[in-house]
Amino acid sequence: GAVVSQHPSRVICKSGTSVKIECRSLDFQATTMFWYRQFPKQSLMLMATSNEGSKATYEQGVEKDKFLINHASLTLSTLTVTSAHPEDSSFYICSARDPGKGYEQYFGPGTRLTVT
Amino acid sequence: GESVGLHLPTLSVQEGDNSIINCAYSNSASDYFIWYKQESGKGPQFIIDIRSNMDKRQGQRVTVLLNKTVKHLSLQIAATQPGDSAVYFCAESGTELKTSYDKVIFGPGTSLSVIP
Repeated sequence: GAVVSQHPSRVICKSGTSVKIECRSLDFQATTMFWYRQFPKQSLMLMATSNEGSKATYEQGVEKDKFLINHASLTLSTLTVTSAHPEDSSFYICSARDPGKGYEQYFGPGTRLTVT
Repeated sequence: GESVGLHLPTLSVQEGDNSIINCAYSNSASDYFIWYKQESGKGPQFIIDIRSNMDKRQGQRVTVLLNKTVKHLSLQIAATQPGDSAVYFCAESGTELKTSYDKVIFGPGTSLSVIP
């Protein structure tokens, strides 16, 4: 089946620094990827839709200047958390749909971000 | 961003019993629904999906029921096993999915605990 990977799986950074998370579709091309954030014991919250070759579409309340999304190729989207603060600590998950396989969306394993 | 719910309800079942997990969705325009399983520290895993033109769909040991009149979705797991212990999310998507830009919105989730 379609596989989506994320890197790193876990990252710790200091407050005020930036951190980049990669999302890759390993065996299919994804024109669109999605980024979610999940706090402990809560649901996944959609942050933005990442579109290959164009600007990301952010959900209401998500700061686009803080969460920079780049979808430079059909297999890679990156999320950069800029000027990270402890409240940005969360589990970040990406997903993508394989256009050749119908409606199912494939999720990455997630990235645990801890800001100290 | 869009999010639903802040607390995870919990369901405890005896091994071998059937489990029923319920979900109320919000958007009457949604026409595609999915159930995901999420184990601790991992990304969501697809279980089963259903289109709005159906009211029931069966998979291996799982059945999804859709009641559009009351905007209710349920997941039935037959002969629940310890490996079924996880958090289960229903999710909805709002269009016919003719493009890859359709986003999936997650419900609040239910934590299933299987007692051996």
